[in-house]
Amino acid sequence: AQTVTQSQPEMSVQEAETVTLSCTYDTSENNYYLFWYKQPPSRQMILVIRQEAYKQQNATENRFSVNFQKAAKSFSLKISDSQLGDTAMYFCAFMKPWGIIFGKGTRLHILP
Amino acid sequence: GAGVSQSPSNKVTEKGKDVELRCDPISGHTALYWYRQSLGQGLEFLIYFQGNSAPDKSGLPSDRFSAERTGGSVSTLTIQRTQQEDSAVYLCASSLTGLAGGGSTDTQYFGPGTRLTVL
Repeated sequence: AQTVTQSQPEMSVQEAETVTLSCTYDTSENNYYLFWYKQPPSRQMILVIRQEAYKQQNATENRFSVNFQKAAKSFSLKISDSQLGDTAMYFCAFMKPWGIIFGKGTRLHILP
Repeated sequence: GAGVSQSPSNKVTEKGKDVELRCDPISGHTALYWYRQSLGQGLEFLIYFQGNSAPDKSGLPSDRFSAERTGGSVSTLTIQRTQQEDSAVYLCASSLTGLAGGGSTDTQYFGPGTRLTVL
């Protein structure tokens, strides 16, 4: 069975610092997608970044980048130059054919 | 509209009552998904529609839960005889082309959710 594990329930960093959120997953599938979603206090889920498993190159979206290690089944999210608006719950997700499996989330606090 | 919308945004009901939650996907999106997020838990996949059909209903937690989608657009999630453990945020998402076998997929866009509280 596929699982997604986020080992950091909560993190706090100072504004402008770099922070890395960890995510590991377990699957026997070879082709899949991985996502990081952000859920700010307003509750709306926002797609942050996505990675296709067949691509070796790590995905990057502005200040957000991932470190995808397929063999290790690791998919960490790095946020550079963190901003107050980055404060949110962050969910790592693994896409299976009929749906998504989410981790339990990491609550990230960006401190002024 | 520009995004996925859901109604109501908040619903408080008494145990044993039926509730209907509505989702309006992004126009043109053929795939629609329902998820549930209980307090302190990750998102739980409930059901997925491709057009009006639901290839996979295995995520529905019990036979009190049902969902339908008509006209390839709006979807309703119905919970009959609500229980306190049904209290959660119910999220809907849509994607342009949906899912296919083998892991190929399409980006899902989420609505704001419906917060359901069963007293």
